[in-house]
Amino acid sequence: EAGVTQFPSHSVIEKGQTVTLRCDPISGHDNLYWYRRVMGKEIKFLLHFVKESKQDESGMPNNRFLAERTGGTYSTLKVQPAELEDSGVYFCASSQDPLLGPPGTDTQYFGPGTRLTVL
Amino acid sequence: DAKTTQPNSMESNEEEPVHLPCNHSTISGTDYIHWYRQLPSQGPEYVIHGLTSNVNNRMASLAIAEDRKSSTLILHRATLRDAAVYYCILRDRYSGAGSYQLTFGKGTKLSVIP
Repeated sequence: EAGVTQFPSHSVIEKGQTVTLRCDPISGHDNLYWYRRVMGKEIKFLLHFVKESKQDESGMPNNRFLAERTGGTYSTLKVQPAELEDSGVYFCASSQDPLLGPPGTDTQYFGPGTRLTVL
Repeated sequence: DAKTTQPNSMESNEEEPVHLPCNHSTISGTDYIHWYRQLPSQGPEYVIHGLTSNVNNRMASLAIAEDRKSSTLILHRATLRDAAVYYCILRDRYSGAGSYQLTFGKGTKLSVIP
């Protein structure tokens, strides 16, 4: 079974440009998460989709970030316009319905990440 | 989620057991203890989780203190491939209709010496 995939693996853009990151979750996983690690910091949650709906977007840093998940399959995270502080590694994760098993036990499966460099 | 405390780094010789500690003195009765690890240049991966009893799986063992204020991830025979950052994360079983996000701390960077 294919794992979580992310595209591109690396992206280098100029400040002010737009970048779109893509995540393909594991087939059948309704839950999709975005996280990121900026330089020297801890991995931080950005948002959580359940199918095509945003369940929690409390971690989104500002309105330059737009996440979508049309049709409840793959997701995109657009940064427009990109700023220097957006540089980092963006991870996507997916999971089955957390309530299928005992609450608090669901496993999240992560992709390899997209390394974004804003110059 | 409650806060966890882990050593910044640890070293182990290859093929020896490794005990990675985690303190979570403010853990609530409904918090599960999860461990994830992040290998170099990869995304985090699930290792193990538990609530009260010790747990074993093919990757590791999890020993949970009786008062649940601390836990230890045990790698029985460290290999070079186990060199990673290990994260101890608490997750509330009553997340309910809210988010199920993982809250990562700094973790423990494990180095394995050949």
